[in-house]
Amino acid sequence: DTEVTQTPKHLVMGMTNKKSLKCEQHMGHRAMYWYKQKAKKPPELMFVYSYEKLSINESVPSRFSPECPNSSLLNLHLHALQPEDSALYLCASSLDRATDTQYFGPGTRLTVL
Amino acid sequence: EDQVTQSPEALRLQEGESSSLNCSYTVSGLRGLFWYRQDPGKGPEFLFTLYSAGEEKEKERLKATLTKKESFLHITAPKPEDSATYLCAVQAENAGNNRKLIWGLGTSLAVNP
Repeated sequence: DTEVTQTPKHLVMGMTNKKSLKCEQHMGHRAMYWYKQKAKKPPELMFVYSYEKLSINESVPSRFSPECPNSSLLNLHLHALQPEDSALYLCASSLDRATDTQYFGPGTRLTVL
Repeated sequence: EDQVTQSPEALRLQEGESSSLNCSYTVSGLRGLFWYRQDPGKGPEFLFTLYSAGEEKEKERLKATLTKKESFLHITAPKPEDSATYLCAVQAENAGNNRKLIWGLGTSLAVNP
């Protein structure tokens, strides 16, 4: 089973709200990723966790704060977002090596008002 | 500069009309090439991983091939349910342990009944 789950499916928030996106996988993967995708564009890497440690931050603004509580869970905490942050947020996971296939979740559609 | 280019941008086929999508890449050294299918508003669905020139993989009506410069995704006798955006991504050697993928912009495929 190559399933990555994400909640919620949709999220609408104001610019002063605090919310969190959640991602879960039970495939034993040791790398987990957050991506942001705008319409008609490919996914854009935000963060990578490897063995529960943050290994890559692609210069993402501090209003996005990732967290990896354990090897199966990945959170993305959102605070003081801007309307231009509205996008599809994707979580992915891969087994171990950098060349391993990344498997994506269904995404969270975020709208910032 | 590492680059991935997909063509055509959009393709419209009649049901049963076979065709091919192209992904050409310019990277310092290829570590892996990945094909994904993405339906509107959903996360990319993994199709194939190719690691070396000459490699081929098949799944139902799809067949992916790889040369030193490009990859093709052949679609045989497509059905309307094959309509989606097909994304190609590459991992380059100079990425080191960085798991960042270089993405093409995708080919939007529409199959008419």
